Amino acid sequence: GAGVSQTPSNKVTEKGKYVELRCDPISGHTALYWYRQSLGQGPEFLIYFQGTGAADDSGLPNDRFFAVRPEGSVSTLKIQRTERGDSAVYLCASSFTGAGFYNEQFFGPGTRLTVL
Amino acid sequence: GENVEQHPSTLSVQEGDSAVIKCTYSDSASNYFPWYKQELGKRPQLIIDIRSNVGEKKDQRIAVTLNKTAKHFSLHITETQPEDSAVYFCAASWDSGYSTLTFGKGTMLLVSP
Repeated sequence: GAGVSQTPSNKVTEKGKYVELRCDPISGHTALYWYRQSLGQGPEFLIYFQGTGAADDSGLPNDRFFAVRPEGSVSTLKIQRTERGDSAVYLCASSFTGAGFYNEQFFGPGTRLTVL
Repeated sequence: GENVEQHPSTLSVQEGDSAVIKCTYSDSASNYFPWYKQELGKRPQLIIDIRSNVGEKKDQRIAVTLNKTAKHFSLHITETQPEDSAVYFCAASWDSGYSTLTFGKGTMLLVSP
C-alpha cells in the first residue's frame, strides 16, 4: 500500500512568514509523529499524536510551532513567524499502536524548509 | 530524557569488509532499539530492530547486538557492498503504548568498490 506522504517536498519562505507542512500517514496507523532533521544530525522529536489528540508535544521548540490532526489521519505542522534557524527537513512518521506492540515507525520523504 | 550517542560519525570500508557501528543510551527503561538507513535525500528506512528481551538478532548480512547491562547496542554489516553506502541512525525508545524515538547523530558509511 501507499507509504507516508508529505507535501510540499520543498518549501522556501522568507523570514517572518507563516508555513504549513502536511503529512498523510499510512492508512490505519493511529500514531503520527513529527521530527525535525538538521543537516548532519539525526531526527529530533517534535510532537506525537495518538488519534486526534497531541499526546506529547514536548519536543516543540517554542510557541511558534503548532500541529493539528483534526480527523485522526492527515496532520499539519504550522510554523508562525519563521526564522532562519527553522530551516531543516521536517519528517513525519506513522505507526500502528496496540497493546504490547513495539511500534515500527514508517517515515515520509520529508519537507525541506528553507527560510531566507 | 533519553540520550543516544553514536560512533563513529564516518566509516570507510572496502567492499567485502565488515562494518560495525556502536551506540550507547542513557535511559535504562528503553527497551526498543531500531536502526534506520538513510540514503542521500531519501527518507529513513528501518533495516533491523531489537527488543530488550533478546541479545542478538540477524537478518542476512545485518546483525544487531544489545547489552542492556552496559546500555549499548551495535550494528554489524558483513560482506559490505557499495549499495550499503548511506547514513545509518540508531535510536532508542521505551514502550508505553507509543514510542518516541531518540536518535543518534548518525554514521556515514562509505563502501568503496
